[in-house]
Amino acid sequence: AQSVTQLDSQVPVFEEAPVELRCNYSSSVSVYLFWYVQYPNQGLQLLLKYLSGSTLVKGINGFEAEFNKSQTSFHLRKPSVHISDTAEYFCAVSDRPRGGADGLTFGKGTHLIIQP
Amino acid sequence: DGGITQSPKYLFRKEGQNVTLSCEQNLNHDAMYWYRQDPGQGLRLIYYSQIVNDFQKGDIAEGYSVSREKKESFPLTVTSAQKNPTAFYLCASSPGQPNTEAFFGQGTRLTVV
Repeated sequence: AQSVTQLDSQVPVFEEAPVELRCNYSSSVSVYLFWYVQYPNQGLQLLLKYLSGSTLVKGINGFEAEFNKSQTSFHLRKPSVHISDTAEYFCAVSDRPRGGADGLTFGKGTHLIIQP
Repeated sequence: DGGITQSPKYLFRKEGQNVTLSCEQNLNHDAMYWYRQDPGQGLRLIYYSQIVNDFQKGDIAEGYSVSREKKESFPLTVTSAQKNPTAFYLCASSPGQPNTEAFFGQGTRLTVV
């Protein structure tokens, strides 16, 4: 069985400050990791994904994440946030390289709040 | 534009009534999924379908039903047997091939009163 823990339910950050959203996972098999963003009353949009290769993954909107196998973590970072980054962020893990959503296990989400 | 369309965006129903949520995609994806989202709970898989005329239960299928008669359509019925149907429902689709990801619709917020 696999699971995802997002350690913070809310993260308040001042505009233009850096941010890190934490994600830890557990899985007994190979993992494929994803970060999604959800704006209010919207669907989910993929920010970035780790399937294999380089452990530092760059995504859209200036976000990046680092896969750390020894710490079973996949933390999301951005060096300078904007008001428009206010949203809910979900970390997800899959045991299937096929890419389908049926194998995805989601964390409970982190609400990123950008303060002016 | 290619994408996934969920309708309606907001839906109100009386307790005890069945209600059907629409999901249509024009991405030519084989696989489609329904998720339920509750505050602070993340997303939970209700049903999924890898191919037309076939579907499987997810983690929380009780009180829900689906059909997949066409590749582009995957409607979800919330039945009166669902004890707590008020939630945000998300539909997704994916090509089902390696190194691809799921695409999500904009969601339907169902409120049962």
